[in-house]
Amino acid sequence: DARVTQTPRHKVTEMGQEVTMRCQPILGHNTVFWYRQTMMQGLELLAYFRNRAPLDDSGMPKDRFSAEMPDATLATLKIQPSEPRDSAVYFCASGLGDTSSGRGETQYFGPGTRLLVL
Amino acid sequence: GDSVTQMEGPVTLSEEAFLTINCTYTATGYPSLFWYVQYPGEGLQLLLKATKADDKGSNKGFEATYRKETTSFHLEKGSVQVSDSAVYFCALSDVDGTYKYIFGTGTRLKVLA
Repeated sequence: DARVTQTPRHKVTEMGQEVTMRCQPILGHNTVFWYRQTMMQGLELLAYFRNRAPLDDSGMPKDRFSAEMPDATLATLKIQPSEPRDSAVYFCASGLGDTSSGRGETQYFGPGTRLLVL
Repeated sequence: GDSVTQMEGPVTLSEEAFLTINCTYTATGYPSLFWYVQYPGEGLQLLLKATKADDKGSNKGFEATYRKETTSFHLEKGSVQVSDSAVYFCALSDVDGTYKYIFGTGTRLKVLA
């Protein structure tokens, strides 16, 4: 049963510290997405990749957030420096992009990283 | 741009009641439509999907029909259970080559025993 895995599941840190979240997408999926979920803003798309290349990161604060895919089995989301307003649940999702239709197919979500910045 | 509108929650029902959660969309192309469910403390899970007009997606007693004429994809279940208590998200993915989803804001469902 293939699943998206995320680490850590929980993270508590102090303002100003660097935070790195990791995601292992499902093998064979060619698209990877990072989302942030908060009570106030709901679910927000931060960035996403296709075939490891960044397609859109316009949802991220560029000055402090960065997203990378060093290889097909790992996606990372970094926050440096972290701020209390970054406290949220961060989800990674992977899926297959249908190149013939241009539509995204089913996205499979990881369990999320719950981040609390004090 | 594309958008998804869901009914505001929370929706509170008694066990065995009929459920409808409304979802309408606007899209420039011919999107695929999805319903995802999120249980407390978990990530989103695909509940059902439909890829073309008049398709009916179904899973675990839930159904939704892709209505192109009314641009809707309403979620229904004939008899809800306490275990259906969760947040439900409607989403679309358009034929724009971006592969990304547009999500609705989510509708919280609470089912009382």
